Amino acid sequence: GDSVTQMEGPVTLSEEAFLTINCTYTATGYPSLFWYVQYPGEGLQLLLKATKADDKGSNKGFEATYRKETTSFHLEKGSVQVSDSAVYFCALSDEDYGQNFVFGPGTRLSVLP
Amino acid sequence: DAGVTQSPTHLIKTRGQQVTLRCSPKSGHDTVSWYQQALGQGPQFIFQYYEEEERQRGNFPDRFSGHQFPNYSSELNVNALLLGDSALYLCASSLPGQGAVDTQYFGPGTRLTVL
Repeated sequence: GDSVTQMEGPVTLSEEAFLTINCTYTATGYPSLFWYVQYPGEGLQLLLKATKADDKGSNKGFEATYRKETTSFHLEKGSVQVSDSAVYFCALSDEDYGQNFVFGPGTRLSVLP
Repeated sequence: DAGVTQSPTHLIKTRGQQVTLRCSPKSGHDTVSWYQQALGQGPQFIFQYYEEEERQRGNFPDRFSGHQFPNYSSELNVNALLLGDSALYLCASSLPGQGAVDTQYFGPGTRLTVL
């Protein structure tokens, strides 16, 4: 079945450092790919998405490119802020899965001032 | 415009008991999905309700059941609680006609602890 793998955390960075969180997926069809963020005590929020190969999703300085050849969707940000501290989830949605999400295990990011 | 709301916020039960969690979808949404998020893990899809019927189900036992009311709100029921049922239960609402799954809006969750 479909699955998502993420780099294990926690990831601890200093403010203004470069961020990469790796995500790879396995799917039978042609899924849409997402990054969600979960701040402490809050629900999941959509950060960005890409619906087909070579699409780049971007939001709030975060970017991820849908790489079909490597089945990857790595999240990047050039300069992180303390306010970016949260748990980040990579997810896919596949028509074969009824358009509900398959989530990765999440990566906790802590940004120190 | 209220988003997705869930109640209660926290709940403590003992093994073998039954629990009911509630979800009110975002205004205008008529589809509700439930997810279980164990500590340190990503959410796992439990089931989805539309037009008061279970439309799709993930890999969860029959102890997990649900209901959707005419006002689109939903309940998640778990019978014969096990320690492993301790988790954050997330509700998400959406409009089915949109097609794009990113129209699912998530609530803050109910934290269930089973002792």
